Amino acid sequence: GAGVSQSPSNKVTEKGKDVELRCDPISGHTALYWYRQRLGQGLEFLIYFQGNSAPDKSGLPSDRFSAERTGESVSTLTIQRTQQEDSAVYLCASSPGLRQETQYFGPGTRLLVL
Amino acid sequence: GIQVEQSPPDLILQEGANSTLRCNFSDSVNNLQWFHQNPWGQLINLFYIPSGTKQNGRLSATTVATERYSLLYISSSQTTDSGVYFCAGFFQGAQKLVFGQGTRLTINP
Repeated sequence: GAGVSQSPSNKVTEKGKDVELRCDPISGHTALYWYRQRLGQGLEFLIYFQGNSAPDKSGLPSDRFSAERTGESVSTLTIQRTQQEDSAVYLCASSPGLRQETQYFGPGTRLLVL
Repeated sequence: GIQVEQSPPDLILQEGANSTLRCNFSDSVNNLQWFHQNPWGQLINLFYIPSGTKQNGRLSATTVATERYSLLYISSSQTTDSGVYFCAGFFQGAQKLVFGQGTRLTINP
């Protein structure tokens, strides 16, 4: 079946603008995650959704970052008033359920803030 | 302190060589996984290996949970093995993965 998809693939924006990044998880996966990867670095956890439970937002770096998920499907990550340090690849992952199990990653959105 | 630490940071080998990548992890991390990030940025699952040994073709991995380390072995390297290898574990019973900084592997023809 189809894997995790993300859009757009690339986004260039000006400092101070808002951006929205989209993630479509694997069908049937109830858990969805957002991570950020700065150039040459490992991935940093941002936020985790599981079904209708309250999301784990403990990794969001500032109140400019927010995310929503509609049921067990699409998620959007919004960055308001973008800063140059927000430039990174934003990766989305999904997994089947509640257990600590393998996460499957999308191709990422490359964000460049000028 | 550092929760997931990988070594070496960079590794350059000739095609056909074998390699061992290491991942040390703290008490707060468990259920190790290994990923390969190809040159196009796609993360590919290699192993989910909380403990023991698994093999998949030329790749194998061993995790010794009691000693808090995991090893990834690549035998008879090919140029397509190039990329960055990450290990990651779940943090303190939560669902979030904590990643190491990666090992950048370059296989020259």
